Amino acid sequence: DTAVSQTPKYLVTQMGNDKSIKCEQNLGHDTMYWYKQDSKKFLKIMFSYNNKELIINETVPNRFSPKSPDKAHLNLHINSLELGDSAVYFCASSQVVTGDNYGYTFGSGTRLTVV
Amino acid sequence: AQSVTQLDSQVPVFEEAPVELRCNYSSSVSVYLFWYVQYPNQGLQLLLKYLSGSTLVKGINGFEAEFNKSQTSFHLRKPSVHISDTAEYFCAVIPVYNTDKLIFGTGTRLQVFP
Repeated sequence: DTAVSQTPKYLVTQMGNDKSIKCEQNLGHDTMYWYKQDSKKFLKIMFSYNNKELIINETVPNRFSPKSPDKAHLNLHINSLELGDSAVYFCASSQVVTGDNYGYTFGSGTRLTVV
Repeated sequence: AQSVTQLDSQVPVFEEAPVELRCNYSSSVSVYLFWYVQYPNQGLQLLLKYLSGSTLVKGINGFEAEFNKSQTSFHLRKPSVHISDTAEYFCAVIPVYNTDKLIFGTGTRLQVFP
């Protein structure tokens, strides 16, 4: 059973298009995240949602809009795609610290290529 | 604010040799510390974590790390590496009282040669 699943795994699209990436977690975690990994492998947080509420928005262009229909899902919609949006996008989830169980669980990533 | 420094962007090593991947962090508050591994074209997998207690932490695949508060370091070690350990390794921290933002270092590429 996949704990954090993202779809699609690969996404190739043209500049100017609008696309969405979906994420689902079956861990019962309260908080979900989107991270962006650039071509140099640097990982940076984009958004964080706790129980469907946005709690972190890290200076991400407003072309990026996260949506959380329930606490098990966090989707990422991107409008007017640009070449610089090409990256690997990771979804993750975590639970409020409870002893030794704390940690983030990451999905396998979505490789977005804008041409 | 917190930051993580991984001084070595690449570490080449021969199979069965020991390896140490260095991680230093900066934070004005207490943090939890993590090491993640990313195999080629895959997602991030948790190797080990330090939350509290013993400063020597053992993780999966024979890796261990030692938390040194005075030196603000959390170096990752393995006594004998395998070809299959070739991957990107990320050190990460999160403030103890604000666990909404896991902050990563820039990663270290471990390349194991036969």
